[in-house]
Amino acid sequence: GIQVEQSPPDLILQEGANSTLRCNFSDSVNNLQWFHQNPWGQLINLFYIPSGTKQNGRLSATTVATERYSLLYISSSQTTDSGVYFCAVGFTGANSKLTFGKGITLSVRP
Amino acid sequence: GAVVSQHPSWVICKSGTSVKIECRSLDFQATTMFWYRQFPKQSLMLMATSNEGSKATYEQGVEKDKFLINHASLTLSTLTVTSAHPEDSSFYICSATGLATIGQFFGPGTRLTVL
Repeated sequence: GIQVEQSPPDLILQEGANSTLRCNFSDSVNNLQWFHQNPWGQLINLFYIPSGTKQNGRLSATTVATERYSLLYISSSQTTDSGVYFCAVGFTGANSKLTFGKGITLSVRP
Repeated sequence: GAVVSQHPSWVICKSGTSVKIECRSLDFQATTMFWYRQFPKQSLMLMATSNEGSKATYEQGVEKDKFLINHASLTLSTLTVTSAHPEDSSFYICSATGLATIGQFFGPGTRLTVL
């Protein structure tokens, strides 16, 4: 099956700092999503980004499909950004299941 | 848009009883729903994929007789944990996707504790 590796596993930031989270995957995919799991367990959709670059406020993401990696950028981090960030990859259509990475635990300190 | 709900949010039951968890897509038709399990400080592990009106497809190692999945309508899927045991205690999360959505959207999860 597809292997998904996220790095770093843990990240501690001071409020206001910027960070880059990485996701490497082992096979060509046409579905890649980034999620933020909040302290209550809810997964919040951040980006659907099988290729290209997208931005949403302080967050942006870039996926280079040919090189099988994706990056999530967080700028001017806030304490509410704390939580676990998951990258998940897969395919669209009939076999649309996602394979999740192990996640990156982000702690933003005031 | 693309809101998914789960009920209950948490449940405590005695060993040997069965527990049913509901997953609903509130504002779209979910042609496919997925059930995941997450242990503390671990990632999500896919248990099964269900398509409306069809039998669920279970991942390797998941007991289909223990985890019964029904996807009877385009807005509702249920997971029944039969004869629950303490090792079934976990966080169960559903997700859904449909023709009008891009990607999967997740419910808030159900925390199951089996005593």
